[in-house]
Amino acid sequence: SQELEQSPQSLIVQEGKNLTINCTSSKTLYGLYWYKQKYGEGLIFLMMLQKGGEEKSHEKITAKLDEKKQQSSLHITASQPSHAGIYLCGADRGAQKLVFGQGTRLTINP
Amino acid sequence: GAGVSQSPSNKVTEKGKDVELRCDPISGHTALYWYRQRLGQGLEFLIYFQGNSAPDKSGLPSDRFSAERTGESVSTLTIQRTQQEDSAVYLCASGWGQETQYFGPGTRLLVL
Repeated sequence: SQELEQSPQSLIVQEGKNLTINCTSSKTLYGLYWYKQKYGEGLIFLMMLQKGGEEKSHEKITAKLDEKKQQSSLHITASQPSHAGIYLCGADRGAQKLVFGQGTRLTINP
Repeated sequence: GAGVSQSPSNKVTEKGKDVELRCDPISGHTALYWYRQRLGQGLEFLIYFQGNSAPDKSGLPSDRFSAERTGESVSTLTIQRTQQEDSAVYLCASGWGQETQYFGPGTRLLVL
């Protein structure tokens, strides 16, 4: 089973709508990373969260780590076609190792 | 500046053949990571280099997999006697530490 569970696995939304992607861990998260993956372009770092309750924003993307540090959510406001891709959450497991969720495939319909 | 590059971008090989995947990290990055992503699955950590040494090889799936890094620069991931289950996208990332990893575009390996 996955150490990190992402939901939903795929998401189709209409352009302009808001959406949320969740990442849940069975262990306390000491560092939670969000990446976006586009085919042929590798992974793009979005943001990192470390403190319980921490929230960070980048353009129209906001990520939050809950107080218990076992769940993170990624929220996109007024989605655009450029937001389409696969979103991955990654967790710090020490010894310079990151583990990742299975990804959420986001499709934006015009 | 130039990002992480990987070659080849695509590789099709026959079962039983050896393959070598190359990663050119961003200049000056001391840390280098290899990951594997199978279809429909998340990223799987393979190995990590700090400089030229690899303190953590625990992620390598079998003894058919090996990796080396020379000159604190280029790294090669070698898979011997490839099997169909080795088919995946192999991603390389570099950085100064774990906090920010810059990923390459990946090598898509297909073992027939």
